[in-house]
Amino acid sequence: AQSVTQLDSQVPVFEEAPVELRCNYSSSVSVYLFWYVQYPNQGLQLLLKYLSGSTLVESINGFEAEFNKSQTSFHLRKPSVHISDTAEYFCAVSGNTGGFKTIFGAGTRLFVKA
Amino acid sequence: GAVVSQHPSWVICKSGTSVKIECRSLDFQATTMFWYRQFPKQSLMLMATSNEGSKATYEQGVEKDKFLINHASLTLSTLTVTSAHPEDSSFYICSARATGGPTGELFFGEGSRLTVL
Repeated sequence: AQSVTQLDSQVPVFEEAPVELRCNYSSSVSVYLFWYVQYPNQGLQLLLKYLSGSTLVESINGFEAEFNKSQTSFHLRKPSVHISDTAEYFCAVSGNTGGFKTIFGAGTRLFVKA
Repeated sequence: GAVVSQHPSWVICKSGTSVKIECRSLDFQATTMFWYRQFPKQSLMLMATSNEGSKATYEQGVEKDKFLINHASLTLSTLTVTSAHPEDSSFYICSARATGGPTGELFFGEGSRLTVL
């Protein structure tokens, strides 16, 4: 079975500061990893994903995540956050079993303060 | 990105009645749709996986007779909460995947908040 753990339920940070949102997963098979973001009053949308190849993946708005197989982690980072990054961030995992379903972590609320 | 529409966005019903929630992929054909339930300050809990033209696959602990899922076409899946009770009150979210396999992006509806009185 697959599972995802997001260690921080809330992360407050000042604007222009760096941030890291932590995500650990467990799986008995090869995994594909995703970060989804939910802005206030909107549905979830894909931020970035790791399928294969380079372990460092980037989004168009400056976020990056690194797949670390030995530590079973997929932490999300941004060197300098903006007020507009305030949102709920969900880490997710899918694999080649169980109907290709996607399992989500509990979410981390990033709150960027001026 | 692709658009998934959920309707209604919120509904209030009396205990014992049934409620139907629709999930439509507006600009793509969804081979697979997923239904999630989200409790306050908690994760999205996968309820079932729905493939067009076949029976839904329910997760352990989800009552298939209570949460009826139909995926009659490549653009529409419905979730019917039968004989709803207050403990069924929750935020229900659907998502759709255009491609088969585990690597495709999920496109989400904006959710439906169900309140059972």
